[in-house]
Amino acid sequence: DAGVIQSPRHEVTEMGQEVTLRCKPISGHDYLFWYRQTMMRGLELLIYFNNNVPIDDSGMPEDRFSAKMPNASFSTLKIQPSEPRDSAVYFCASSSGSQKDEKLFFGSGTQLSVL
Amino acid sequence: KQEVTQIPAALSVPEGENLVLNCSFTDSAIYNLQWFRQDPGKGLTSLLLIQSSQREQTSGRLNASLDKSSGRSTLYIAASQPGDSATYLCAVRTSGTYKYIFGTGTRLKVLA
Repeated sequence: DAGVIQSPRHEVTEMGQEVTLRCKPISGHDYLFWYRQTMMRGLELLIYFNNNVPIDDSGMPEDRFSAKMPNASFSTLKIQPSEPRDSAVYFCASSSGSQKDEKLFFGSGTQLSVL
Repeated sequence: KQEVTQIPAALSVPEGENLVLNCSFTDSAIYNLQWFRQDPGKGLTSLLLIQSSQREQTSGRLNASLDKSSGRSTLYIAASQPGDSATYLCAVRTSGTYKYIFGTGTRLKVLA
């Protein structure tokens, strides 16, 4: 498997624009997570899905953020409208949920800069 | 609310030294704990996972221990090498949830 795939790797946009980040989890993994990493706050869990259903979105900062998982192989995180304080690295991760292998596998991240 | 702390924030050691990284968590009702490595500009790679019923896990030169009652885990790196230079993070999964809460990380530099 190619691992967790995120796109784009880098995104530079202007304040007020809509941003969509994409993630393809490892095939067969039932859990998908979106994290945000900043120097000030470290790694923060935004939302996670189980079998395509959002389970906990308590980490989503505000209504400008939304996430979807239309099928087992694709998820999006959307920010509309974007603000400079949204600048961060956004990671997607997946896990099988199996007791035999519960490790989290991370993608390479999307570096978002909002000007 | 689970809080995870890692001390020290940064560490610089000469090559060959054995070292210990620390992770503390406030809620001892955990399901498991993972140690990760993150290289600059990259994603995180899981190194070791310890279930709540286990005391330690080993992989090569790495050994992770878990003391649930005291809310502590350590990552022991034997015979450190320059290639071990990275940021090491621990993450705790609290019982009854699939949420992983991450520590702030320890930035390790091993000098040749």
